[in-house]
Amino acid sequence: DTAVSQTPKYLVTQMGNDKSIKCEQNLGHDTMYWYKQDSKKFLKIMFSYNNKELIINETVPNRFSPKSPDKAHLNLHINSLELGDSAVYFCASSSGQGTQYFGPGTRLLVL
Amino acid sequence: QKEVEQDPGPLSVPEGAIVSLNCTYSNSAFQYFMWYRQYSRKGPELLMYTYSSGNKEDGRFTAQVDKSSKYISLFIRDSQPSDSATYLCAMEKTDSSYKLIFGSGTRLLVRP
Repeated sequence: DTAVSQTPKYLVTQMGNDKSIKCEQNLGHDTMYWYKQDSKKFLKIMFSYNNKELIINETVPNRFSPKSPDKAHLNLHINSLELGDSAVYFCASSSGQGTQYFGPGTRLLVL
Repeated sequence: QKEVEQDPGPLSVPEGAIVSLNCTYSNSAFQYFMWYRQYSRKGPELLMYTYSSGNKEDGRFTAQVDKSSKYISLFIRDSQPSDSATYLCAMEKTDSSYKLIFGSGTRLLVRP
């Protein structure tokens, strides 16, 4: 009965490959997010969807493409992976301001 | 200059000490203030949430917001080794974007 879940937990892949990360929330929230946490623990928002509609798109390379099939799911597809994409990617969801709940993270390592 | 500044630490205290964690910010449009706790290799966990100025208490945790000084604090009383984690402050404006701006996190170590 995990509130926000992500798969996979770990992803090790070669430069140039394409990979996807999936996120699901069972909290009934309308808004979902993708964050990137770098090696210095800095957490930065990438995208946000509200009821399947994109509302935040930070200056992220267009190799990153989010997709929300329904309001409980938000996936992240990354094309042509680069070394600098290595990080931990967190999914989060919220019902309103100030109350975002995070998933366990997906550790991506690009070799 | 970052919008939210937080001392990275590490902060090392003995068990039972009172811990004070702080963040400063530059944008007066922030109205929602949060503290998250992140254990190693886990996702951030929402600890405290405050709207505008004032204090909020929850068990051993007290959050304070001073908007005039653009300064927020988290106090942990009777600290325990299980409190050892990275603490992240986060802030949000009231512009309906639901966009959180995080501090870089302070690593706390509570020694038994």
